[in-house]
Amino acid sequence: EVELVESGGGLVQPGRSLRLSCAASGFIFDDYAMHWVRQAPGKGLEWVSGISWNSANIAYADSVKGRFTISRDNAKNSLFLQMNSLRTEDTALYYCVKDTVSVTFDAFDLWGQGTRVTVSS
Amino acid sequence: EIVLTQSPGTLSLSPGERATLSCRASQSVSSTYVGWYQQKPGQAPRLLIYGASSRATGIPDRFSGSGSETDFTLTISRLEPEDFAVYYCHHYGTSRTFGQGTKVEIK
Repeated sequence: EVELVESGGGLVQPGRSLRLSCAASGFIFDDYAMHWVRQAPGKGLEWVSGISWNSANIAYADSVKGRFTISRDNAKNSLFLQMNSLRTEDTALYYCVKDTVSVTFDAFDLWGQGTRVTVSS
Repeated sequence: EIVLTQSPGTLSLSPGERATLSCRASQSVSSTYVGWYQQKPGQAPRLLIYGASSRATGIPDRFSGSGSETDFTLTISRLEPEDFAVYYCHHYGTSRTFGQGTKVEIK
């Protein structure tokens, strides 16, 4: 079955760190770019970060640049998001998302069910 | 940064009716990099349309996309009960942004 399963979310205080993971299965992971997209409670979708198949092309939304780091381990079919200096406005459901291409960034054709991050004191 | 503005915010229609959703970009974009997603409550989004007009795998032909430059449209020809959801447009070119969404609700 083609699937993305996120983990690592939770409740964290402002200024602290959290690392999200995404386990991919059912497709050739290193054939595709991958992304993190978040959705604050009751709000719309916000692209957070993307990474090409070989990690050579990485991009971040301005709202997280310098605080978040995306990475991947193709040998383990896994995607990661290291989130540092967390703010209350980072509170959201974080989706792991598969791209339709490998190098550049294109449409998103597979989404996980998300992992919830709550930043609060 | 390209801003996508969707209208209307909410569309109240009955099953069987036609739905027309609009997405306007703040500057001209290539239609190659415009997509549409459907999100139902408690579920992850699902890709409907990519390249402005190509249906994703398994998407019924009652869903169609069109448009160019700054104006893009998602049309649902005849609403089925399962089509009532929130729809987002998406630009995935040099910047990656989503519209704020249009909710299609049962009238």
